[in-house]
Amino acid sequence: DIQMTQSPSSLSASIGDRVTITCRASQGISKYLAWYQQKPGKVPKLLIYGGSTLQSGVPSRFSGSGSGTDFTLTISSLQPEDVATYYCQKYNTVPWTFGQGTKVEIK
Amino acid sequence: EVHLVESGGGLVQPGGSLRLSCAASGFPFSTSWMSWVRQAPGRGLEWVANINQDGLEKYYLGSVKGRFSISRDNAKNSFYLQLNSLRPEDTAVYYCTRDHSVAANDYWGLGTLVTVSS
Repeated sequence: DIQMTQSPSSLSASIGDRVTITCRASQGISKYLAWYQQKPGKVPKLLIYGGSTLQSGVPSRFSGSGSGTDFTLTISSLQPEDVATYYCQKYNTVPWTFGQGTKVEIK
Repeated sequence: EVHLVESGGGLVQPGGSLRLSCAASGFPFSTSWMSWVRQAPGRGLEWVANINQDGLEKYYLGSVKGRFSISRDNAKNSFYLQLNSLRPEDTAVYYCTRDHSVAANDYWGLGTLVTVSS
């Protein structure tokens, strides 16, 4: 099975900072990569699919890039409401494996 | 508006069984793949199983293969997860989700908690 590795596992940044999270697949997955945001005690929410397509209603400060094995989620200007754990997920073939998550906090 | 509502969770002893249900509305259920995703307490997300539109294609996480069984009833806009031979490590919130070939898991239910403990 393809493994998904996220880095870092956690980060602390200031309001307004640019935040970058990376996700690496152990084999190529084309653009079948999604990013989810899970706020504490809440249900995961789809942010980005197809590596770079923003889900409807998601603020434009979120963006995604990459294809093949290396992907990036960027928050251009961190806001207090962005405190959450972020997960990548590959969905080209089963199993639809998730990364281990990146916890984002405010410094 | 899309709704996915899980039910059937609870406390069960190791080796026991449970049947989870997910009732769907607000989208064309009979033409959608559906999945179960779980999250152990304080842990990350783990895809468990999915099922195609007519229920003839089913895929499972390796650690649940042979113990869990996914099924669906399109007439009732519902799908299910039968959990057998439960282990403490199966303790988790189980979410039902819609699979989208382009947009991954775009809709999620609120989840149902399964606790396996003696």
